[in-house]
Amino acid sequence: QLQLQESGPGLVKPSETLSLTCTVSGGSISSSSYYWGWIRQPPGKGLEWIGSIYYSGSTYYNPSLKSRVTISVDTSKNQFSLKLSSVTAADTAVYYCATLTTYIDYWGQGTLVTVSS
Amino acid sequence: EIVMTQSPATLSVSPGERATLSCRASQSVSSNLAWYQQKPGQAPRLLIYGASTRATGIPARFSGSGSGTEFTLTISSLQSEDFAVYYCQQYNNWPPAWTFGQGTKVEIK
Repeated sequence: QLQLQESGPGLVKPSETLSLTCTVSGGSISSSSYYWGWIRQPPGKGLEWIGSIYYSGSTYYNPSLKSRVTISVDTSKNQFSLKLSSVTAADTAVYYCATLTTYIDYWGQGTLVTVSS
Repeated sequence: EIVMTQSPATLSVSPGERATLSCRASQSVSSNLAWYQQKPGQAPRLLIYGASTRATGIPARFSGSGSGTEFTLTISSLQSEDFAVYYCQQYNNWPPAWTFGQGTKVEIK
């Protein structure tokens, strides 16, 4: 049973870079079974896919965020990470890491990131 | 980019009644359609994938149907624990992309 856990700062200043890490347990991040990805949810709003990475290292990003997003993998730590640059208040959200195929079956518990000075 | 539109935004249903939720895609997504349930403060939970296959442990009162651009999630007899927000999600094969509908809130009538 895969388990995912997000970690990172809960408060980020405007114009800075949001950085989050997802630690995977119960399976290998080198598995070809999944994409590993990030999804966010602003308070009181819907879900938005941010981007995904495959075990090969190929990355795919939401076009609306592509210019600001980087997702990477650290196989030695069984982790993958999200960096979102030049954040504004509109980036305030609960950020989830997840496993993705044609659907999303394993989710982290989510972490709230607030963008504020 | 494929746009997913859910209707209605809010559905008021009495316990024991049937609920029917709709999801429309702006272009065909074949059967690459999933449904999720989300309760306050929790991560979404996968209910249905492949448009009609129940995920592990999901009760039989949840069913999905449709293909192409029109999809439906039916809850045959609403239980108290089913009052939540439901999202549909499509998967685009190339380039890989995942898009959600805006959600339908199922509330107690």
